[in-house]
Amino acid sequence: EVQLVESGGGLVQPGGSLRLSCAASGFTFSSYWMSWVRQAPGKGLEWVANIKQDGSEKYYVDSVKGRFTISRDNAKNSLYLQMNSLRAEDTAVYYCARSHYYDSSLDYWGQGTLVTVSS
Amino acid sequence: DIQMTQSPSTLSASVGDRVTITCRASQSISSWLAWYQQKPGKAPKLLIYKASSLESGVPSRFSGSGSGTEFTLTISSLQPDDFATYYCQQYNSYPFTFGPGTKVDIK
Repeated sequence: EVQLVESGGGLVQPGGSLRLSCAASGFTFSSYWMSWVRQAPGKGLEWVANIKQDGSEKYYVDSVKGRFTISRDNAKNSLYLQMNSLRAEDTAVYYCARSHYYDSSLDYWGQGTLVTVSS
Repeated sequence: DIQMTQSPSTLSASVGDRVTITCRASQSISSWLAWYQQKPGKAPKLLIYKASSLESGVPSRFSGSGSGTEFTLTISSLQPDDFATYYCQQYNSYPFTFGPGTKVDIK
C-alpha cells in the first residue's frame, strides 16, 4: 500500500525556517517524481514544487523561489521541503504527493502537515 | 503562468443528478489536465488524468473530456459520497496550476 506521511509542520515566526519531511513507503520511491502542494486555510490548492527521480531537476512556483528548497533522499525514501524566510502567506497545510507513473498528475497524497507563520 | 478557471464555483444538486463542471485554461494545455476530488479535512484524490483517463479504482460515473483550453468533468449520476470540492489542474507547463475549485453541495 502506498503511504506518504508528512511531518515537521508547526508554528514559526515570520522570517523563520522550517523543514518538512515526507516518508514514503509501499512503492519504489526512486522511480517517481515527487511534489509539494499547499492549501491555505479555507482556500484552494497551490502547487509549490516538484523534483525528478534523481534530484537533477527541480521546479518551483514563483512565490517560493529563492526561499524554499525541495530535495530527496532515495536511500531513506524521503522527500523534504526546506522553507526559509517564511511569511504569513506561507501559512497552509502542506501535502506531499507522488506523480502518476504515466504523467505529472498526482496520484497519491499524504495527509498533510500544517505550517503556521505568525508572531 | 497558465491561469485556470472553473465554473460554476458552487453547484447544488440532488442524488441521481447528472453534474458537469467546466475548467478553462488561459492557453492551450493539450490534454495535460487532471481532476481531483477533495472532502473537508482530507487530502485531494485523483479522479481523472490526461483529460479523460479514469484513475484506477475511481467509479465509472466520473468522466472527463476536452483538450486545448476547455475541459469538463461529468458525474453521470451523483451519489451521496460525491458531495465535495472538485479541482482541475494543468501540468502542461511550469508552474503547474490548479483551478479555484467547484463545490458540489446538496440541493
